[in-house]
Amino acid sequence: EVQLLESGGGLIQPGGSLRLSCAASGFTLSTYAMSWVRQAPGKGLELVSGINTRVVGTYYADSVKGRFTISRDNSKNKVDLQMNSLRGEDTAIYYCAKFVGGSYHDPFDLWGQGTLVTVSS
Amino acid sequence: DIQMTQSPSSLSASVGDRVTITCRASQGISYSLAWYQQKLGNAPQLLLHTASTLESGVPSRFSGSGSGTDYTLTISGLQSEDFATYYCQQYFSTPQTFGQGTKVEIK
Repeated sequence: EVQLLESGGGLIQPGGSLRLSCAASGFTLSTYAMSWVRQAPGKGLELVSGINTRVVGTYYADSVKGRFTISRDNSKNKVDLQMNSLRGEDTAIYYCAKFVGGSYHDPFDLWGQGTLVTVSS
Repeated sequence: DIQMTQSPSSLSASVGDRVTITCRASQGISYSLAWYQQKLGNAPQLLLHTASTLESGVPSRFSGSGSGTDYTLTISGLQSEDFATYYCQQYFSTPQTFGQGTKVEIK
């Protein structure tokens, strides 16, 4: 079955760090660009970060630039998001999403179920 | 960044109704427009891409149209399982951006 499974969310104090992981199955991860999209409680969708097939091509929203780092390990079929210096406004469900192709000029055709990150003291 | 303005933000409709949701981009996006459906507690699901191409498995009552900056999602004959929030997304340029969503509720 083709699917994405996120893990690593939880409750963290402001200023803390979390590492989210997205495990891909049922397809060859190396062929596709991948991303993390978040949704704050009761709000819309925001693209947080993306990584293309060449790995060196990464993207970050201005709101997380310098604090978050996306990486991928095609041999392990996973994509990670290292989140540092977390703030209350980072509280959201974080979805792992797969682009249709290898670049950012595609929609997302597969989403994980999401993992909740709550930043609070 | 390209801004996506979706309207209305919410609507009430009955089963069998025809529903139209619009999305306007702040600049031309050359048909690089997708629509997603999100049901409460679930991840978004891709309905259409390239403005009007139906994703595999999506019922034909969903259709899309538009060009340039203005795009439309139409549901012809609303079904009970269609009550959800719908988002448009442009993927013409990075960062890909979403509309704010349209919540379709039961009248």
